[in-house]
Amino acid sequence: NAGVTQTPKFQVLKTGQSMTLQCAQDMNHEYMSWYRQDPGMGLRLIHYSVGAGITDQGEVPNGYNVSRSTTEDFPLRLLSAAPSQTSVYFCASSPGLAGVSSYNEQFFGPGTRLTVL
Amino acid sequence: AQSVSQHNHHVILSEAASLELGCNYSYGGTVNLFWYVQYPGQHLQLLLKYFSGDPLVKGIKGFEAEFIKSKFSFNLRKPSVQWSDTAEYFCAVSGGYNKLIFGAGTRLAVHP
Repeated sequence: NAGVTQTPKFQVLKTGQSMTLQCAQDMNHEYMSWYRQDPGMGLRLIHYSVGAGITDQGEVPNGYNVSRSTTEDFPLRLLSAAPSQTSVYFCASSPGLAGVSSYNEQFFGPGTRLTVL
Repeated sequence: AQSVSQHNHHVILSEAASLELGCNYSYGGTVNLFWYVQYPGQHLQLLLKYFSGDPLVKGIKGFEAEFIKSKFSFNLRKPSVQWSDTAEYFCAVSGGYNKLIFGAGTRLAVHP
């Protein structure tokens, strides 16, 4: 198993550009999520999904869209990039169903380092 | 609202020194607690987790953590650190739907 994969590893955007960060997992996990990591702030939840077709907002959803058309993929879209979105983005997945296995370990991808100029 | 507080942002130790990283959380219900580690240039990996039972949890690489419900704490410990333990450590609490609330992290530097 490849686990959780993310592409690209690095990206530089200009303010106002849009792009999609890709995330895929081959473990048949129900739960997937996106976090951003900023110095001194830990990881903050952007959006999450408890299964195909179901998504919800996390702590910092503004400026980001997600969709979950398949179990495997959970792309994160930046609609109009802003310098405040410069960060490292991590995708994670977990086998737990909503509200049932909240103790399950989350498996993280390698991250995408995004710079918005 | 749920929150996680890590008291030490930077810790510098010499090899063989003992380590304790503080973590306090704020949450009204049943908690599931985690410690993750991020080695330089790598993604987050689970060190250990607590969801019920024995409050002293043992994880990988000689790490352990103790859940003290009365103090809302889940401190990470290791009796003797190695240079290879240099990393950033994150405490997290599960807030339902597998949503993790992370602390700000503690950067540990271990000098030979």
